[in-house]
Amino acid sequence: QKEVEQNSGPLSVPEGAIASLNCTYSDRGSQSFFWYRQYSGKSPELIMFIYSNGDKEDGRFTAQLNKASQYVSLLIRDSQPSDSATYLCAVASWAQKLVFGQGTRLTINP
Amino acid sequence: DAGVIQSPRHEVTEMGQEVTLRCKPISGHDYLFWYRQTMMRGLELLIYFNNNVPIDDSGMPEDRFSAKMPNASFSTLKIQPSEPRDSAVYFCASRLGETQYFGPGTRLLVL
Repeated sequence: QKEVEQNSGPLSVPEGAIASLNCTYSDRGSQSFFWYRQYSGKSPELIMFIYSNGDKEDGRFTAQLNKASQYVSLLIRDSQPSDSATYLCAVASWAQKLVFGQGTRLTINP
Repeated sequence: DAGVIQSPRHEVTEMGQEVTLRCKPISGHDYLFWYRQTMMRGLELLIYFNNNVPIDDSGMPEDRFSAKMPNASFSTLKIQPSEPRDSAVYFCASRLGETQYFGPGTRLLVL
């Protein structure tokens, strides 16, 4: 079992709709959870992070964490074509290092 | 701030040659990470430093790989000898607090 699992996609969503990206992790000791966006040929950039169970909102983005289910998700409201990218889920334990999932490729269709 | 700087941006070399990748972290950041990204294996952590000291190199694939951080503003990742399976994008990232900032990456092709 991989430490961090994501559906590789591609996930296709119409413009203006909600895109939902999911991630599960295996280490129950994980402390911090991150979502990165990576455009083709570019480096990953941080969208947001979450530590506590529940929801965290930042503009059109909402991260959701359920530690009991070992599940993290990212919702993108009012999806735009510029949101088309690969989204990487990353999980950190006490050791300060991030373990990344394989990423989900998201395409927003105009 | 210019962000994390990596050089070279692209490197093409022949099998058996030595390859040196360079990274300048963001000033004031106390952590530095080296990652490798391939289609098959995704983004993998190779090694990371805290205040110039290597903390965890368990991701370094084999003895052909070595990394140094002689001071707070410079790090190198060396592959000697290089092999075709080392072809990948190598990212350096630095961190202060919770946010890691990635450099633009070095695209390495070993023929």
